[in-house]
Amino acid sequence: EAQVTQNPRYLITVTGKKLTVTCSQNMNHEYMSWYRQDPGLGLRQIYYSMNVEVTDKGDVPEGYKVSRKEKRNFPLILESPSPNQTSLYFCASNVAGSTDTQYFGPGTRLTVL
Amino acid sequence: QKEVEQNSGPLSVPEGAIASLNCTYSDRVSQSFFWYRQYSGKSPELIMSIYSNGDKEDGRFTAQLNKASQYVSLLIRDSQPSDSATYLCAGANEKLTFGTGTRLTIIP
Repeated sequence: EAQVTQNPRYLITVTGKKLTVTCSQNMNHEYMSWYRQDPGLGLRQIYYSMNVEVTDKGDVPEGYKVSRKEKRNFPLILESPSPNQTSLYFCASNVAGSTDTQYFGPGTRLTVL
Repeated sequence: QKEVEQNSGPLSVPEGAIASLNCTYSDRVSQSFFWYRQYSGKSPELIMSIYSNGDKEDGRFTAQLNKASQYVSLLIRDSQPSDSATYLCAGANEKLTFGTGTRLTIIP
C-alpha cells in the first residue's frame, strides 16, 4: 500500500530534550515536506526537500532541522524543543513538488512541557 | 494580504443542499490550486485540483477558478453528513501555501 508513515504518532516531552520525528514514504517520491498545523494558523511549511541531500527552509524553520540521506526518509529533528513547538506535525511527499498532489502522513501530535 | 485566505466558518448547510466554499489568493500563488478535506484529528486528503480558469467537476464536487478575480471555490452538491470536515484551500507557485481552512457542518 502506497503511504507516508510517521513515528511517533503522539509524544509528550519536556523543554530542551532533543527529539526526532521520523517520516518515510514508499512511493519513490522525490519531494518531501514537513508542516505544522496550529489553530487559526493553518498548515505552515517547516522544511522541504526536492531530492536526496537537497533541503530548504519553508515558512517557519526556526528551531527545526531536517536531513535527507535516503530518498524514502525525511526525519524532523528538534534539537532543543520549546513549548511553542507544541503542535500537530505532518509529513508529506509527492512526485513533482509544490504543483503536484501532496500525500500526507497521519500526523504527530507533539506536546512540549 | 495573506497569500491564501479563507473564511474560517463555521459554515452550516442542511443535508442535501449545496455547500459553497470560497478562497481568495494573492499574486504570489497563482499557478495551481487544490482543495483538501481534513476530518478532525486526521491528515488532509486531496479533493480537487484545478489549474486553469473555469469549472472542473468530479462527482458531487465542482471546483471553480477565476484568475481575473483571484478566487477559487469548491461547490459540494447534495451535501451529506460525511462531508462535515474542514476544507483547506491551497495555492502553489514555487511552494505550496495553505489557507487556514473553513469548517463545514452538514446538518441532517
